Amino acid sequence: AQSVTQLDSQVPVFEEAPVELRCNYSSSVSVYLFWYVQYPNQGLQLLLKYLSGSTLVKGINGFEAEFNKSQTSFHLRKPSVHISDTAEYFCAVIPARGSYIPTFGRGTSLIVHP
Amino acid sequence: KAGVTQTPRYLIKTRGQQVTLSCSPISGHRSVSWYQQTPGQGLQFLFEYFSETQRNKGNFPGRFSGRQFSNSRSEMNVSTLELGDSALYLCASSLTGDTIYFGEGSWLTVV
Repeated sequence: AQSVTQLDSQVPVFEEAPVELRCNYSSSVSVYLFWYVQYPNQGLQLLLKYLSGSTLVKGINGFEAEFNKSQTSFHLRKPSVHISDTAEYFCAVIPARGSYIPTFGRGTSLIVHP
Repeated sequence: KAGVTQTPRYLIKTRGQQVTLSCSPISGHRSVSWYQQTPGQGLQFLFEYFSETQRNKGNFPGRFSGRQFSNSRSEMNVSTLELGDSALYLCASSLTGDTIYFGEGSWLTVV
């Protein structure tokens, strides 16, 4: 079984400041890792994913994340946020073998202030 | 390339009624999965279909069911609706299983 912990339920930040959204996971098997973004009244949009290879992955909208196997973390970062980045962000893991059933974190609400 | 399409987007039902939600996956995707999103429970996996067969199932009562057609389109049904079934129901599709793409969701309100 897998579990995902998003350490902050809410992250307020000023526009143009850097931001980090934290995600830790636990799993008895190898997993793939994902970040999704959900804007109000919309579905989830894939931001980026880690399947294998380089531990630093770049996604859309200037976001990037680093996979740290020893710390079982997959933190999301952006060097300079915009008002339009205000949304809910979800970290997710999927087992690399067997059933592709995802486990999601509870989400982090990123609030960007002008 | 069109994304995952869900209909209807919004609906209101009365307790005890049933509801059917529809999902058209991304062209070429044969895996379709469904999720329930609520403020209290977050995102929870309902079930997954592949080539018209239910491949995985989450921990939901039998009132929640689904099916997939030969063109990969999928429907989910909830019978005997309860107030607690009010939620955003998300459909997702996948080509390879390791990456899932979501639709906009169907907002269900049970009154």
